Amino acid sequence: GDSVTQMEGPVTLSEEAFLTINCTYTATGYPSLFWYVQYPGEGLQLLLKATKADDKGSNKGFEATYRKETTSFHLEKGSVQVSDSAVYFCALTGGGADGLTFGKGTHLIIQP
Amino acid sequence: DGGITQSPKYLFRKEGQNVTLSCEQNLNHDAMYWYRQDPGQGLRLIYYSQIVNDFQKGDIAEGYSVSREKKESFPLTVTSAQKNPTAFYLCASSIGGQGYYGYTFGSGTRLTVV
Repeated sequence: GDSVTQMEGPVTLSEEAFLTINCTYTATGYPSLFWYVQYPGEGLQLLLKATKADDKGSNKGFEATYRKETTSFHLEKGSVQVSDSAVYFCALTGGGADGLTFGKGTHLIIQP
Repeated sequence: DGGITQSPKYLFRKEGQNVTLSCEQNLNHDAMYWYRQDPGQGLRLIYYSQIVNDFQKGDIAEGYSVSREKKESFPLTVTSAQKNPTAFYLCASSIGGQGYYGYTFGSGTRLTVV
């Protein structure tokens, strides 16, 4: 079945550092890929998405490129802020009736 | 504004009680989902529904029940058969059943057994 693997953390960075959160996937066919963000005590919010190979999703300074050859969708940001502290989930849909498959989440902590 | 409303935000249950968590959406989405979130375990699918009056078990359905009598509503009942119900519960919806456009999530209900 489909699966998503991401670094679990916690990942601790200083403010203005460069961020990479790795995400790799296993799926048949051509899945759509997503990054969600969860702030403490809240639900998940869609951060960005990509629907086909070589697409780049971007939002709020975050970017991720759909790499079919390496089955990856790594999340990057050039300069993180304290307000980026949250849990980040990588997810995919392979077209199954049960919807999205999620990774376990990466807890990001940004220190001032 | 359209969205998903989960209530209550916090819920306390005594041992042996059934409790029902509410999930309502005004997005006209076809599919709805319930997830359980525990620290360090990510999201686990409890139940999902693609159309009214139809729903399927997810990965951890034991001790839970749902209904889908209206398109807008997908309540989750945590029964006394669920041995470890303390968790954060998230409801989500999507335009189609396959989630190609992503999910919209509610803000969650934190259930605690006392």
